[in-house]
Amino acid sequence: EAGVTQFPSHSVIEKGQTVTLRCDPISGHDNLYWYRRVMGKEIKFLLHFVKESKQDESGMPNNRFLAERTGGTYSTLKVQPAELEDSGVYFCASSQGTVANTGELFFGEGSRLTVL
Amino acid sequence: AQSVAQPEDQVNVAEGNPLTVKCTYSVSGNPYLFWYVQYPNRGLQFLLKYITGDNLVKGSYGFEAEFNKSQTSFHLKKPSALVSDSALYFCAVRPRGGGADGLTFGKGTHLIIQP
Repeated sequence: EAGVTQFPSHSVIEKGQTVTLRCDPISGHDNLYWYRRVMGKEIKFLLHFVKESKQDESGMPNNRFLAERTGGTYSTLKVQPAELEDSGVYFCASSQGTVANTGELFFGEGSRLTVL
Repeated sequence: AQSVAQPEDQVNVAEGNPLTVKCTYSVSGNPYLFWYVQYPNRGLQFLLKYITGDNLVKGSYGFEAEFNKSQTSFHLKKPSALVSDSALYFCAVRPRGGGADGLTFGKGTHLIIQP
């Protein structure tokens, strides 16, 4: 069974440009999460989808970030326009139930974003 | 707001010795507690969780963790370390109750097992 896959693995862009990160969760997982780790700091929660609906987007930094999950399958995270402080590793995770119900998230390998 | 502290950036242990990776948390009530491990160039992998019941929980690869409510700690332990245990370890919490399902992670601890 395929795990959570993320694309691209690494993206280097200039300040002001746009980047779109993609996450394909494990098939059948209704819950999809985005997290971000800035160099040397904690992994921060960004948002949580249940199927195609945003359940919680309290961690989204600002309106330059837009996440979608059309059809409840794969998800995209767009950063427009990118700023230097957006650099970091963006992780996607999925699970069949919520963390409270199942307790285990399956993470992708992450997309490293470097903004110059 | 909840927080997780992993006071050691790095822990060095000789192979075969017991290991402990420390984690303390600050959250109201009894939280759900987790440990994840990240090997180089890989995603985070679930190790173990505390939801309720026995304070000592056992997880993957021989790891265990003990929930200590009075000390608000959830230290990760293993009786005998292997070189292959070398990785980055993250402690995480989720408050019990409420609809917010995001995990709060610590900064991570590099565990280095020396042959």
